[in-house]
Amino acid sequence: SQKIEQNSEALNIQEGKTATLTCNYTNYSPAYLQWYRQDPGRGPVFLLLIRENEKEKRKERLKVTFDTTLKQSLFHITASQPADSATYLCALPPHAGNNRKLIWGLGTSLAVNP
Amino acid sequence: EAQVTQNPRYLITVTGKKLTVTCSQNMNHEYMSWYRQDPGLGLRQIYYSMNVEVTDKGDVPEGYKVSRKEKRNFPLILESPSPNQTSLYFCASSHGSSYNEQFFGPGTRLTVL
Repeated sequence: SQKIEQNSEALNIQEGKTATLTCNYTNYSPAYLQWYRQDPGRGPVFLLLIRENEKEKRKERLKVTFDTTLKQSLFHITASQPADSATYLCALPPHAGNNRKLIWGLGTSLAVNP
Repeated sequence: EAQVTQNPRYLITVTGKKLTVTCSQNMNHEYMSWYRQDPGLGLRQIYYSMNVEVTDKGDVPEGYKVSRKEKRNFPLILESPSPNQTSLYFCASSHGSSYNEQFFGPGTRLTVL
């Protein structure tokens, strides 16, 4: 079955630097992949969706890439700020053509130090 | 304001005492789902609903029930709660299907003694 791997180690970076988070999946390439932000004790908040035919997507300081050959999505935050500190989750459908369910990575914790 | 609401936000109960966690959305979304989130296990889907009167099991449905009698509401029912259902629960909704942006509720922290 499809599995998602996100770096379990927390990422600590200096304010102003670019944070890069990784989402790897193990089996089939999904039609899309979603990224969310989660603050402690709160519900995830949607950030970006990227489709399989899109290599890259941007939204303000955020950029997502999707490499179906590597079975990987990268999530970048440029000019990072302390307010970007949170856990970032990726989610994708468990099977090809499935628009009924999502499976989720465990998330990567990002800390941006002033 | 577009939102998903859950009640209660916190609940401590005892084994075997039936409880219901309510979920309501005001965005006219077709798709709704329930998740539980546990340390080291992440978000796991319990049940989902594609529309009124259409529900299906997620990955961890045992011990839970749901209903979707109205489009806006999707209550989660624990008929006989057990300590292993102690968790943080989230309701989510979206237009159409899981393909679209998921809007999450604030969460319900449940402790079963």
